[in-house]
Amino acid sequence: EVQLVQSGAEVKKPGESLKISCKGSGYSFANDWIGWVRQMPGKGLEWMGIIYPSDSDTRYSPSFQGQVTISADKSISTAYLQWSSLKASDTAMYYCARPIRGLVSSIEFWGQGTLVTVSS
Amino acid sequence: QSALTQPPSASGSPGQSVTISCTGTSSDVGGYNSVSWYQQHPGKAPKLMIYEVSKRPSGVPDRFSGSKSGNTASLTVSGLQAEDEADYYCSSYAGSNNLGVFGGGTKLTVL
Repeated sequence: EVQLVQSGAEVKKPGESLKISCKGSGYSFANDWIGWVRQMPGKGLEWMGIIYPSDSDTRYSPSFQGQVTISADKSISTAYLQWSSLKASDTAMYYCARPIRGLVSSIEFWGQGTLVTVSS
Repeated sequence: QSALTQPPSASGSPGQSVTISCTGTSSDVGGYNSVSWYQQHPGKAPKLMIYEVSKRPSGVPDRFSGSKSGNTASLTVSGLQAEDEADYYCSSYAGSNNLGVFGGGTKLTVL
């Protein structure tokens, strides 16, 4: 059974850094794309970026390029989403997402979500 | 503003059918047979209901069906049940340099 288990909720102040995680199991983690989707409070879904853990090929949506860093450690089947300096507008639910193999834009498996709250 | 346009709300009575539209352009919905639909209940992660326009993942009831005509895709829910009340999002592949685009979501209410 494929599972994506994310790290817990975070409360941070503007300007702080943060790294959240997503551990995959039940499939060959290194050989499937895995990515992150943002959902701001009361809003829709947005693709942030995606990574292929085997070779760390990473692609970002234009809105998120330079704003976050996506990485993965295939030795522990874990993907990461990182901010160097959080803003209040980063307050959102973040889902890790594994697309259908061969259909990057169709997300077959979702993590439970990590709520990030940025407030002074 | 979302890349794909969905109506903000839709509704139907139990047992009825309801159709939700998703309008894009020839660069996304109209250009590829890669439209997906997701169901999201409050406080839960989204769930894939339809992919490649009309295919259902294992476990999704056949009451859910998808179609596409030109730049508009549609999700039809037949035999509405109370548990179908949720937000529904469409998404589409939009080319090799794009991860995909989502619609703004439609809140389906079962009356």
